[in-house]
Formats: sequence, C-alpha cells, structure tokens
Amino acid sequence: GQNIDQPTEMTATEGAIVQINCTYQTSGFNGLFWYQQHAGEAPTFLSYNVLDGLEEKGRFSSFLSRSKGYSYLLLKELQMKDSASYLCAVMDSNYQLIWGAGTKLIIKP
Amino acid sequence: DTAVSQTPKYLVTQMGNDKSIKCEQNLGHDTMYWYKQDSKKFLKIMFSYNNKELIINETVPNRFSPKSPDKAHLNLHINSLELGDSAVYFCASSQDIAGEANTDTQYFGPGTRLTVL
Repeated sequence: GQNIDQPTEMTATEGAIVQINCTYQTSGFNGLFWYQQHAGEAPTFLSYNVLDGLEEKGRFSSFLSRSKGYSYLLLKELQMKDSASYLCAVMDSNYQLIWGAGTKLIIKP
Repeated sequence: DTAVSQTPKYLVTQMGNDKSIKCEQNLGHDTMYWYKQDSKKFLKIMFSYNNKELIINETVPNRFSPKSPDKAHLNLHINSLELGDSAVYFCASSQDIAGEANTDTQYFGPGTRLTVL
C-alpha cells in the first residue's frame, strides 16, 4: 500500500528553527509537495521537490532524498503566524496526490 | 478575485437527503478535484477530472457523483446522505497533470463543511 508518515504534532519557539520530516512509500514518484493549512482554512502550496536536494524559498526550505523516500520542511525565524498544519503529499505513478495526515505545528512565544 | 470558489461554505442537512456542492475555478486550469477531509485531517482524493478523463477513487460510494458542465466547474452531488459523510469537502484545480510543479500544483477552494444529522 501507499503510505506517507509525518509526526502528528510539534512545538517550537518563536524565532527558532524547526524541521518537519516526511517519509513515504508510494507506487512511483512524480514529485513531493508541502502544503500549509491553517485551522478551518484550505491547504495552500508551499513547495515542490522532484529532484534530490534542497529548495529554498525565503524562510522555508524543503529537502528531498528519493533513494531514502524522505523529505523535510525547514522553517526558519519562526513567527506566530506559522502555527498551522503542514501536509506532505507525494504524486504517484498515476499522477494522484497521496497525502500525509499533516503535522500540527504549535509556536510558543 | 477568488481563484477557486465553493458554495456553500457550510451545509447542515438530514440523513437521507440529496445535496450538491458547487465549485468554480477562474484559473483556466484543465484538471479539477474533489477531496474529503475527515476529523483526523486526512485529505482523501475522491475524484479528479479533466476534459479527457474522470478518475474515481474506488473507495468512494456511488452515492457521490461529479458533474462538470464546463471546464471551469466541477460540482459534487451526494445522494442519500449518511452520518459518515460529515466532513469538510475541498475542491481543487491544477493546470494539468504532467509531473511538473508549474502544472501539477493544486490550488484549493475554501472548503465546504458538511454536517449530516
């Protein structure tokens, strides 16, 4: 079966750095996405990785290792508004997005 | 302008009723989707549809049916609603499905919270 694993919840301090890990087992791979979802709102696109390595976009970076079936999302200089769920999703060989359950990130002052 | 819109935002109804949720995108995208997000926050794909193909997740009951009057709209019809249908339903769209970020990135509507009593 297809599986995406992420921690259920993480806590970090304002101004700090946090890394959210995602491991996956899917039938085929056509890219990995990270989305942010605030409570009661729609998911919004953060990043996309299809090749190994680090993609940096402002305070957010995403890393991919296809051989290890592993990705992480790195958030720097955390702000209170970063409190949200972060969803990892992998596009499989049928171009269907397989979603993780999301990691709820709690930012404390 | 809202890129992907859904109506209604909230829907409360009785078991056994038939209801519809509308979705429209003004991004010029070719592919649209319906997702169900349950209380455990898993996003489960229900349908993906473009002008070529409807892909149905085999776990979706046939009480659920998508209707697409044109490329910009994909409505969701639900017959004989059950308690377990209570969830948030998200519509999304992408330019296409091609294995590239600029075409595959999905943009979500605000969601419709369905409560079946």
